[in-house]
Amino acid sequence: DAGVIQSPRHEVTEMGQEVTLRCKPISGHDYLFWYRQTMMRGLELLIYFNNNVPIDDSGMPEDRFSAKMPNASFSTLKIQPSEPRDSAVYFCASRTGQNTEAFFGQGTRLTVV
Amino acid sequence: GQQVMQIPQYQHVQEGEDFTTYCNSSTTLSNIQWYKQRPGGHPVFLIQLVKSGEVKKQKRLTFQFGEAKKNSSLHITATQTTDVGTYFCAGPSPSSGSARQLTFGSGTQLTVLP
Repeated sequence: DAGVIQSPRHEVTEMGQEVTLRCKPISGHDYLFWYRQTMMRGLELLIYFNNNVPIDDSGMPEDRFSAKMPNASFSTLKIQPSEPRDSAVYFCASRTGQNTEAFFGQGTRLTVV
Repeated sequence: GQQVMQIPQYQHVQEGEDFTTYCNSSTTLSNIQWYKQRPGGHPVFLIQLVKSGEVKKQKRLTFQFGEAKKNSSLHITATQTTDVGTYFCAGPSPSSGSARQLTFGSGTQLTVLP
């Protein structure tokens, strides 16, 4: 397996634009996590899915953020409209079952200008 | 917030010196994991501790889980420049206790001076 795949690796967008980040988890993994990393706030859990169902989205900053997992091999994190304070590195991670190691993608570095 | 507290936030050591980072939770954890993130990279799993008082070693790295399962430590003996990075502890949500969730500590950024 190629590991967790995220796209794009880098995204620069203007304030107000819609941004969609994509993630392909490792095949067979039934948990998928979206994290945001910034210098100020560290590695924050935004939302996670179990068997494609969103379990806890309490970390999603506000209504501008939404996440979907239409099937076991694909998830998206959408920001609409984007703001400069959304600039961060967004990581997707997957794992199989509880209490197992999580595998991270390379991350998407988002810059909103 | 969701984060488990880690100290120190930053640590600079001379190559060859030892390094320790501590992770503390207000609630009992069923397990704790440790990850390392190199500069510009992504977190990579190092180890998982499950049992009270458990100690595990990986070459120069020693991981410990407290007796009360509320704290953990990572100790690196004789640091090398390849140890540079941020070390995170992670585990179930301290607030909900849900084992399905994976919440990360605030991290300790290690700099090793040659």
